[in-house]
Amino acid sequence: ETGVTQTPRHLVMGMTNKKSLKCEQHLGHNAMYWYKQSAKKPLELMFVYNFKEQTENNSVPSRFSPECPNSSHLFLHLHTLQPEDSALYLCASTGGEGNQPQHFGDGTRLSIL
Amino acid sequence: AQSVAQPEDQVNVAEGNPLTVKCTYSVSGNPYLFWYVQYPNRGLQFLLKYITGDNLVKGSYGFEAEFNKSQTSFHLKKPSALVSDSALYFCAVRDYSGTYKYIFGTGTRLKVLA
Repeated sequence: ETGVTQTPRHLVMGMTNKKSLKCEQHLGHNAMYWYKQSAKKPLELMFVYNFKEQTENNSVPSRFSPECPNSSHLFLHLHTLQPEDSALYLCASTGGEGNQPQHFGDGTRLSIL
Repeated sequence: AQSVAQPEDQVNVAEGNPLTVKCTYSVSGNPYLFWYVQYPNRGLQFLLKYITGDNLVKGSYGFEAEFNKSQTSFHLKKPSALVSDSALYFCAVRDYSGTYKYIFGTGTRLKVLA
């Protein structure tokens, strides 16, 4: 049990579909993150939210749309994705002043047909 | 900008032998360094961190890491490897530019052979 829950664990969608990824943490953390993990590439930071406010958008295409309604929940809305967007999407959270480690969910494995 | 480098894509070691997974860092200011492990179909799990203090940091599952300021390294070590240690290992450094974020290395796959 990592304390960070991601749903769904697997998702297959066509390029014209719209879907959402969900992340939930009840660790009392104030910061939440989305990462993309592709084979043979470094972990890519996508978005950072701190106290529900977006503080980092790492030049992510607009077909990815994050939402953070409160400090415990984070969504990633997907639309009109491309085959190269197939990857493992990881959510993480952390608290404190940056001297605490991140807690990761087990990810959503996304496949774009 | 902060960065970490993991020079080895894969490390093979025999069960029972000591293991080392290498990480070097480049930071401005004092480094906040972390090691994580990732098993198949799982997220990253925290192993240990260096913030300040003793250069030898002990973590979960018998792992430890040695912080070396002069060599700007933070290598992960374990005295006796287990087959179950086979996984993907990531080194990370904390960065701050208005918000805290973490810069990860490319990962090193550790294979422990029975």
